[in-house]
Amino acid sequence: DTAVSQTPKYLVTQMGNDKSIKCEQNLGHDTMYWYKQDSKKFLKIMFSYNNKELIINETVPNRFSPKSPDKAHLNLHINSLELGDSAVYFCASSQDPGPGEKLFFGSGTQLSVL
Amino acid sequence: GQSLEQPSEVTAVEGAIVQINCTYQTSGFYGLSWYQQHDGGAPTFLSYNALDGLEETGRFSSFLSRSDSYGYLLLQELQMKDSASYFCAVREEGRGSTLGRLYFGRGTQLTVWP
Repeated sequence: DTAVSQTPKYLVTQMGNDKSIKCEQNLGHDTMYWYKQDSKKFLKIMFSYNNKELIINETVPNRFSPKSPDKAHLNLHINSLELGDSAVYFCASSQDPGPGEKLFFGSGTQLSVL
Repeated sequence: GQSLEQPSEVTAVEGAIVQINCTYQTSGFYGLSWYQQHDGGAPTFLSYNALDGLEETGRFSSFLSRSDSYGYLLLQELQMKDSASYFCAVREEGRGSTLGRLYFGRGTQLTVWP
């Protein structure tokens, strides 16, 4: 059973479109994240939710809107896609947010904006 | 602010030992973590150091010196499957009850040759 699963694996779309990426974790964790990894492999946090509440919101364009219907799900909706949004988006979860927390990552969604 | 420095690339041969260094500057330090990421895969947690010293887990060890703001990941008896990117990460100090973000270095690409 996959611990953190995200869909789709690949997403190819045109500029200006709206798309969503879904994430689900079956680990019973309270905290979930969205990370963006660019072409140079730089991993940057976008959002963090704890028990469905937003706790970290980095400087991300408001075209990106996360939604957490319950603590096992954290979806990412992106409006008016731009070329610069092309990247790999990773969902992650952890049990105990804090210094030594261990993040479990999903397999990533490769987003290509044409 | 927050910064982490690690070499962009390291190469070694099978059976060798390699050390990947990480220096950091952070406002409030809560420990150093290491993650491994194979090409096309998800980052996976390797280790965490909160206190000075060496932590050993099989062929991998991680070291921390808080006074030097420095740590390293030591990989012994290298195998081809160890070829991957390795990221150090630190927890940034939060504000009030807000969790600080987990900040990743830019990663070190390790290539193991036969």
